[in-house]
Amino acid sequence: AQSVAQPEDQVNVAEGNPLTVKCTYSVSGNPYLFWYVQYPNRGLQFLLKYITGDNLVKGSYGFEAEFNKSQTSFHLKKPSALVSDSALYFCAVRDLNSGGYQKVTFGTGTKLQVIP
Amino acid sequence: KAGVTQTPRYLIKTRGQQVTLSCSPISGHRSVSWYQQTPGQGLQFLFEYFSETQRNKGNFPGRFSGRQFSNSRSEMNVSTLELGDSALYLCASSPDTGIDTEAFFGQGTRLTVV
Repeated sequence: AQSVAQPEDQVNVAEGNPLTVKCTYSVSGNPYLFWYVQYPNRGLQFLLKYITGDNLVKGSYGFEAEFNKSQTSFHLKKPSALVSDSALYFCAVRDLNSGGYQKVTFGTGTKLQVIP
Repeated sequence: KAGVTQTPRYLIKTRGQQVTLSCSPISGHRSVSWYQQTPGQGLQFLFEYFSETQRNKGNFPGRFSGRQFSNSRSEMNVSTLELGDSALYLCASSPDTGIDTEAFFGQGTRLTVV
């Protein structure tokens, strides 16, 4: 069964400092990995995805993520945090279920707090 | 292009009642998924529809059901509401069921059961 773990419920970082939000995954086949962000009282917004190819994936709002197959990780990063980055971040993995249809599993979410 | 539209945005219901939530996907998107989001359980998958067929179902009781219409609009129904059904219900649409396709989410319907 596929799974996604976000080990930190909350990450605090000072504005201007680099940030990392961690995600590890477990899938039976090839991993298809996604990051989403959720602002208060809003739905989730897509940030970036890893399907294949370069291990460093660039996405929206200056975010990037590093895929590490040996560590089964897909950590979200940004070189310089902004106060407006404060939000809830979800990692997700897509795989195929036993019927051959895609199944999406989300992590529990990590609250990012950027301190001015 | 209009985004995913969920109605209503807020809903208050009494225990034992039933409720129907609506989701209009992005034009051209045929896959619609539903999720329940609560502070304690996070984001949990309810079901996915593609071309009016349920392709995937999460681990929720039979009180939770859904359907998709020929225009791809989807509804989910919860019968015999319980206090624990209070949550943000999110709908997401995708152009197809490709495994590498990201989902586009609506703003959600906040259901409060009293």
